[in-house]
Amino acid sequence: AQKVTQAQTEISVVEKEDVTLDCVYETRDTTYYLFWYKQPPSGELVFLIRRNSFDEQNEISGRYSWNFQKSTSSFNFTITASQVVDSAVYFCALSEALTSGTYKYIFGTGTRLKVLA
Amino acid sequence: DGGITQSPKYLFRKEGQNVTLSCEQNLNHDAMYWYRQDPGQGLRLIYYSQIVNDFQKGDIAEGYSVSREKKESFPLTVTSAQKNPTAFYLCASSITGGSPLHFGNGTRLTVT
Repeated sequence: AQKVTQAQTEISVVEKEDVTLDCVYETRDTTYYLFWYKQPPSGELVFLIRRNSFDEQNEISGRYSWNFQKSTSSFNFTITASQVVDSAVYFCALSEALTSGTYKYIFGTGTRLKVLA
Repeated sequence: DGGITQSPKYLFRKEGQNVTLSCEQNLNHDAMYWYRQDPGQGLRLIYYSQIVNDFQKGDIAEGYSVSREKKESFPLTVTSAQKNPTAFYLCASSITGGSPLHFGNGTRLTVT
């Protein structure tokens, strides 16, 4: 069965430190999608990135970068030079097609990041 | 602006009462989803719907019911059969399979 594991429940860093959030997934499919979302204190989940299973290129967007490795079933997220505004809960998610043609999205338990000034 | 609207933001009910959470989207998305969030447990899938008049149970559907009579609307009813209904409920939609989910602001339900 599909599963997403975020082993880090909470991480605290001091502003300007780099931090990596880990995500490990399990799936039997060869075609799937991986996502990262940010949930600030307001509660709404904000989409950060999507990766499909055939694209293992790392991606960088400003201070954010993502490392996708199929060999280890991992999709890790690094924030460089963290800022207080990065404080939030971050979720990794997996999407794969069901036989009915619908897609199911499975989320990890989230990692709470606290960036201290 | 397009988006997903969940109402109300906070909801209080007495034990034994059914309650319906509203979810409306104007993004013209086919697929809609309901998730429940509890501290330390992440998001768990309650129900999802790919098209109008069709929906499937997620991982924790017991004690919940949904309807999908219109493409824009996917209300969730929390019935008295739900043993522990107090939680934060999030509605989401996507344009196609595998596309990013768009989320509403959530409804925090408290049952006493």
